Amino acid sequence: GDSVTQTEGLVTLTKGLPVMLNCTYQTTYSPFLFWYVQHLNEAPKLLLKSSTDNKRTEHQGFYATLHKSSSSFHLQKSSVQLSDSALYFCALNNYAQGLTFGLGTRVSVFP
Amino acid sequence: DMKVTQMPRYLIKRMGENVLLECGQDMSHETMYWYRQDPGLGLQLIYISYDVDSNSEGDIPKGYRVSRKKREHFSLILDSAKTNQTSVYFCASSDSANTEVFFGKGTRLTVV
Repeated sequence: GDSVTQTEGLVTLTKGLPVMLNCTYQTTYSPFLFWYVQHLNEAPKLLLKSSTDNKRTEHQGFYATLHKSSSSFHLQKSSVQLSDSALYFCALNNYAQGLTFGLGTRVSVFP
Repeated sequence: DMKVTQMPRYLIKRMGENVLLECGQDMSHETMYWYRQDPGLGLQLIYISYDVDSNSEGDIPKGYRVSRKKREHFSLILDSAKTNQTSVYFCASSDSANTEVFFGKGTRLTVV
């Protein structure tokens, strides 16, 4: 079945540094990938989405490129802020059953 | 304003009691979902509803049932709650193409 793998459970870094969160997936369908961000005690909110191969998509300083050849959709930001501290989920649209989520990566940004 | 509303936000129940979690959306979305979120386990799909009275089990349906009598409302029912059902429950909705899933703010359920 469909699956999403996020290899980092926790990422800690200092404000101003770059970050990359890994996401790989497996699916038998044409992939449609998402990144959701969840701040403490809040609902997950859509950050990015893409179904276009090799095209960079950006929002709020974050960016990701879907690479079908490597089944990846890594999330990046060039300079993190304190407000980026949150839980980040990669998700795959499996069409029949909504989104399949990875386990999430918690990002903690320190001053 | 596109919104998914969940009630209540916090709930404490005793083991064996029945629990009703309610969810509404104002986007006329056909598809609605119930997820639970536990530390280290991400978001797990309990049930999915494709429209009124068209519900399907997700990955972890045991101990839960759902009801969808109107497109805008989707309820999650726990008959005889168990302590291992202590969790945060999220309702969500999407259009039929699942191009974006909108989440409610969640219900934190504690079963004691």
